[in-house]
Amino acid sequence: DAKTTQPPSMDCAEGRAANLPCNHSTISGNEYVYWYRQIHSQGPQYIIHGLKNNETNEMASLIITEDRKSSTLILPHATLRDTAVYYCIVHSTSYGKLTFGQGTILTVHP
Amino acid sequence: GAGVSQSPSNKVTEKGKDVELRCDPISGHTALYWYRQRLGQGLEFLIYFQGNSAPDKSGLPSDRFSAERTGESVSTLTIQRTQQEDSAVYLCASSSRGGANTGELFFGEGSRLTVL
Repeated sequence: DAKTTQPPSMDCAEGRAANLPCNHSTISGNEYVYWYRQIHSQGPQYIIHGLKNNETNEMASLIITEDRKSSTLILPHATLRDTAVYYCIVHSTSYGKLTFGQGTILTVHP
Repeated sequence: GAGVSQSPSNKVTEKGKDVELRCDPISGHTALYWYRQRLGQGLEFLIYFQGNSAPDKSGLPSDRFSAERTGESVSTLTIQRTQQEDSAVYLCASSSRGGANTGELFFGEGSRLTVL
């Protein structure tokens, strides 16, 4: 899997949008961008994924730049329960294992 | 079942003993993963099973670690002669085969192993 770079930590005020960046400058054409999060003491949870088009679901939106070298996960109205470690992963369907990096610790404060 | 089930949820053992951790994936999921997460650390890939293909064992840290999977169902992770550094949460995940969703993993709640 291509390497990703994320800031180690971010803060966000409750009710505001949380924008989590991810750089993946070595991404190849058949690799998707996946986002997961891990709330303390729980297993990771899938959030969203995309190839080149922007994606939205009930949890978040994913914005991928046109050159696909970076992406942003957007939580439109962050709540205290969104405090977690957020992982950006680049993965190809032709690969086997999926590798997690260190992620971004997002802290949502009142 | 509805989700990935792992057992035991907690295991305390003495150094040098063997332990077995079990994972029941979501029915119909052909891919199964094991990860290790030490306290305050990220997820460390251990092993990956996909259908009848040879498993990817590249993440197993030593020959004390082994895993088996029966067909496309239950998997067991075995740690022999446990050491204190084996203390961690062991996470299992499964996913379905094919298409753009093979990176969508469903995780269990993990088995917390403490080696005294």
